[in-house]
Amino acid sequence: GAGVSQTPSNKVTEKGKYVELRCDPISGHTALYWYRQSLGQGPEFLIYFQGTGAADDSGLPNDRFFAVRPEGSVSTLKIQRTERGDSAVYLCASSPGPGGTGELFFGEGSRLTVL
Amino acid sequence: GENVEQHPSTLSVQEGDSAVIKCTYSDSASNYFPWYKQELGKRPQLIIDIRSNVGEKKDQRIAVTLNKTAKHFSLHITETQPEDSAVYFCAALDSGTYKYIFGTGTRLKVLA
Repeated sequence: GAGVSQTPSNKVTEKGKYVELRCDPISGHTALYWYRQSLGQGPEFLIYFQGTGAADDSGLPNDRFFAVRPEGSVSTLKIQRTERGDSAVYLCASSPGPGGTGELFFGEGSRLTVL
Repeated sequence: GENVEQHPSTLSVQEGDSAVIKCTYSDSASNYFPWYKQELGKRPQLIIDIRSNVGEKKDQRIAVTLNKTAKHFSLHITETQPEDSAVYFCAALDSGTYKYIFGTGTRLKVLA
């Protein structure tokens, strides 16, 4: 695919359930970011991967949130024991990485609704 | 850590007029400042960017200026058109952490 792909596009779940959101970055991009965007707000940084490792996870709000990128390509954001306040659009973005142009390429996002 | 503030939160202009959106940042280590446009229900898309070694950059009707001393940068859109209506986000990249911090967004409405 030509762009960043995110699945599912929409997820409705009940409070307390476990959720996984998937991001497939642009091929060859070493940097991958997860952001959370609430209605009327800017993207809020969650975590940044350079290759397989989480270079900065300082934006994860608490230990219910976890993300992995085991082979340096696809990434999964995992949310345990979901709460209504987790409802938001979760955006993934990729970039060529250090030394690249700096442009972030965003996916269409996964809209999470926790009932 | 870096903090980016953006103003105004909403902006209405008449078609053909200019629009200016301003952002300030806190971390002097930031060296890359992109602007993204997000239409309703769509992904953010880069429209213009500037690096810290440049004071101004222009691309047709869009320009960005950077004042490193004051730590602020601005987006200028001239001859606005209805299709410019969207939410615009500024961001700053910390060169040490590679973390992009976004502003809270400006909803631009161009009135025909």
